[in-house]
Amino acid sequence: DAKTTQPNSMESNEEEPVHLPCNHSTISGTDYIHWYRQLPSQGPEYVIHGLTSNVNNRMASLAIAEDRKSSTLILHRATLRDAAVYYCILRDESGGGADGLTFGKGTHLIIQP
Amino acid sequence: DGGITQSPKYLFRKEGQNVTLSCEQNLNHDAMYWYRQDPGQGLRLIYYSQIVNDFQKGDIAEGYSVSREKKESFPLTVTSAQKNPTAFYLCASSIVGTKSYNEQFFGPGTRLTVL
Repeated sequence: DAKTTQPNSMESNEEEPVHLPCNHSTISGTDYIHWYRQLPSQGPEYVIHGLTSNVNNRMASLAIAEDRKSSTLILHRATLRDAAVYYCILRDESGGGADGLTFGKGTHLIIQP
Repeated sequence: DGGITQSPKYLFRKEGQNVTLSCEQNLNHDAMYWYRQDPGQGLRLIYYSQIVNDFQKGDIAEGYSVSREKKESFPLTVTSAQKNPTAFYLCASSIVGTKSYNEQFFGPGTRLTVL
């Protein structure tokens, strides 16, 4: 799987939007962009995924650059419960989705009250 | 409630002993996975299984063994050959499909400490 680069940590205030960047300059045409997050002392949970178009769900939005070399996870109104490590992961579509995920160190998001 | 259970939450063992971590899912998923996480690091894949009675090594399989006799169960044994077994172990499951965006569902993890 291609490599992703994320900032080690970011800080935001409660009830403000948060934009978490991810660079993936070596992304291939068949790579999906996935985001997971891990709350303290818990297992990761799926947040969102996309291929080319921007995506929205109840948790977040995913904005994908036109050249797909970067993407941004957007939390529209951060709460204290959003404090977690956020992982940006690329998955090759041809993999069938039954092999493992490759996690980097992710971005530690700190929310200030 | 459907989900993944891992037990126990905390486990202590003496050096040189084998230990088996439990993972059970009632999501009817075909694929199951074991990951290891060290402090401040991301998860690393130990083993995965796409179907009963079959499994594949991940990136760090040395010193670990698994079995997949039932669809809902995927126990992990940390053997005495694993040089640094103290870590947070996470189990996950997913459906098996034709697309790679199949979401993985994770359990709460087992924190293993070898004394």
